[in-house]
Amino acid sequence: EVQLVQSEAEVKKPGESLKISCKGSGDRFTSRWIGWVRQMPGKGLEWMGIIRPDDSDSRYSPSFQGQVTFSVDKSINTAYLEWSSLKATDTAIYYCASRYSAYDPFDYWGQGTLVTVSS
Amino acid sequence: QSALTQPRSVSGSPGQSVTVSCTGTTSDIGANNYVSWYQQHPGKAPKLLIYDVTRRPSGVPDRFSGSKSGNTASLTISGLQAEDEADYYCCSYAGKYTFDVFGTGTQVTVL
Repeated sequence: EVQLVQSEAEVKKPGESLKISCKGSGDRFTSRWIGWVRQMPGKGLEWMGIIRPDDSDSRYSPSFQGQVTFSVDKSINTAYLEWSSLKATDTAIYYCASRYSAYDPFDYWGQGTLVTVSS
Repeated sequence: QSALTQPRSVSGSPGQSVTVSCTGTTSDIGANNYVSWYQQHPGKAPKLLIYDVTRRPSGVPDRFSGSKSGNTASLTISGLQAEDEADYYCCSYAGKYTFDVFGTGTQVTVL
């Protein structure tokens, strides 16, 4: 079994940078893909993209390409989602989730990190 | 990549069956059998209900079932229970470059 624990809620101003984390524990964390999913207030789930910790192979949804960056630190079983310049429209809950392969579903989810961007 | 289309809401009485549809294209749902469904209760993370169109993870009640025809997938909840009131999202693999696309989400209400 895999457990995913995400970093705490953040409040930022437009233009600031941010990096949130997703720490995994349990069975074979680095050999599973880690995905990121956005949920804006009162809205549905949006697939942002995915990264494979073993080699940092990353795929981005066209809607998020160039807007965010995925990274991992294998030594501490942690994946990151990063913004270089936040916008108010980035206000949302961000979930990390884990899957075995490209074709598998997300079978383990983090608890979510609320990011609030406001001046 | 456009979101898969789901009805905004469906409802049913306890014990009844409800079906949630999920319409995609020949590039996603119609191209493979990697359709999954997630249940999300308010304030909670999504939970995997169905994967590979019809398969249930261990622990998911057998009153949840999935199917697919052409570019449309469906989730059926048989013997509706109060705890089934939640939002439901379909998801389909859409190719090796962008991987997945989610549906727009359906709110299931138990009357």
